[in-house]
Amino acid sequence: AQSVTQLDSQVPVFEEAPVELRCNYSSSVSVYLFWYVQYPNQGLQLLLKYLSGSTLVKGINGFEAEFNKSQTSFHLRKPSVHISDTAEYFCAVSRGDGLTFGKGTHLIIQP
Amino acid sequence: GAVVSQHPSWVICKSGTSVKIECRSLDFQATTMFWYRQFPKQSLMLMATSNEGSKATYEQGVEKDKFLINHASLTLSTLTVTSAHPEDSSFYICSAKRTSGFSYEQYFGPGTRLTVT
Repeated sequence: AQSVTQLDSQVPVFEEAPVELRCNYSSSVSVYLFWYVQYPNQGLQLLLKYLSGSTLVKGINGFEAEFNKSQTSFHLRKPSVHISDTAEYFCAVSRGDGLTFGKGTHLIIQP
Repeated sequence: GAVVSQHPSWVICKSGTSVKIECRSLDFQATTMFWYRQFPKQSLMLMATSNEGSKATYEQGVEKDKFLINHASLTLSTLTVTSAHPEDSSFYICSAKRTSGFSYEQYFGPGTRLTVT
């Protein structure tokens, strides 16, 4: 079985400041890792994914994440956030089938 | 990018009735689709895996007789909530799996909000 832990349910940050959203996973086998964003009353949009290769993954909207196998982490970062980044962010893992999601982190951008 | 649609986007039904939700991959064929459920301010929980031409695989705790899944074509999967009750009110989201070479991704539909009165 696999599981995902998003340690922070809510992260407030000032506009133009950097942000890191934490994600840890557990799995007995190799997994694929994803970050999704969900805006209010909308579906999920893929930010980035790690399947293999380089451990630093760049995604859309200026986000990036680093896969750390020894720490079983896949933290999401952005060097400078914008008010439009306010949303719910979900980390997810998969072995190629259905996704197992973390509980989500609500990113709140303060002006 | 790949597009997945869901219909309806929202539905209100009376307790005891059945509701069908459609999930379509518009510009690619998907042999595998997934159905998720999301309660307010909570994460998505995988309900079942829908495979074209075969029976769906349900996650533990999901009643297969209550949540009927049909994947009749490579672009359409349906979820029917039978004898719906207020506790079935939720946001139902489907996704379609697309594989290309060594790449793999799920494309999500916009979701269907079900309210059972």
